[in-house]
Amino acid sequence: AQRVTQPEKLLSVFKGAPVELKCNYSYSGSPELFWYVQYSRQRLQLLLRHISRESIKGFTADLNKGETSFHLKKPFAQEEDSAMYYCALSGQYGNKLVFGAGTILRVKS
Amino acid sequence: GAGVSQSPRYKVAKRGQDVALRCDPISGHVSLFWYQQALGQGPEFLTYFQNEAQLDKSGLPSDRFFAERPEGSVSTLKIQRTQQEDSAVYLCASSLVIRATSGYEQYFGPGTRLTVT
Repeated sequence: AQRVTQPEKLLSVFKGAPVELKCNYSYSGSPELFWYVQYSRQRLQLLLRHISRESIKGFTADLNKGETSFHLKKPFAQEEDSAMYYCALSGQYGNKLVFGAGTILRVKS
Repeated sequence: GAGVSQSPRYKVAKRGQDVALRCDPISGHVSLFWYQQALGQGPEFLTYFQNEAQLDKSGLPSDRFFAERPEGSVSTLKIQRTQQEDSAVYLCASSLVIRATSGYEQYFGPGTRLTVT
């Protein structure tokens, strides 16, 4: 079965502190992993995907196949990072996204 | 350019009523998806179209749910005899390609919030 687990419903950090949003997945095969973000009163949008191996807005995420994890990290949180973050996967040749329940990131000044 | 649009943005229905939710994908996007997002949960897949063909409807929770995309552009999600458990945000997403290569992106609409009373 395909499943994405985000163990934290809420993560609260101070501005300038490091951030790590956890994501674990189960999938028999080689999935693609994504992080989507939803800022207040905005629509869901793609933040980054593991295939691209890119850094967006200072965020990075490394796919660890051994631990089946895809944690999202940023060394120094900013107030504008406050949002809902969803980890998602899709099958290697599939199309639909399977989402986790999401983690609210709150960055305090 | 214009993104994915959905209408109505909010819908209140009495239990037992039928509702129709509309999605206008980004022009030229081949793939279209519907997701259901219950309060406090992540979006859950309902159905997928490639042009006008409905290729996957495995996520539709019951036969009260029906989706169509007759001309391969606009899509409508219909829910018959609505129940309270149908209350959720319904998200539509579109994608440019049939996943020919890795890294395709789904673009989401703002969603329709359905409340069944």
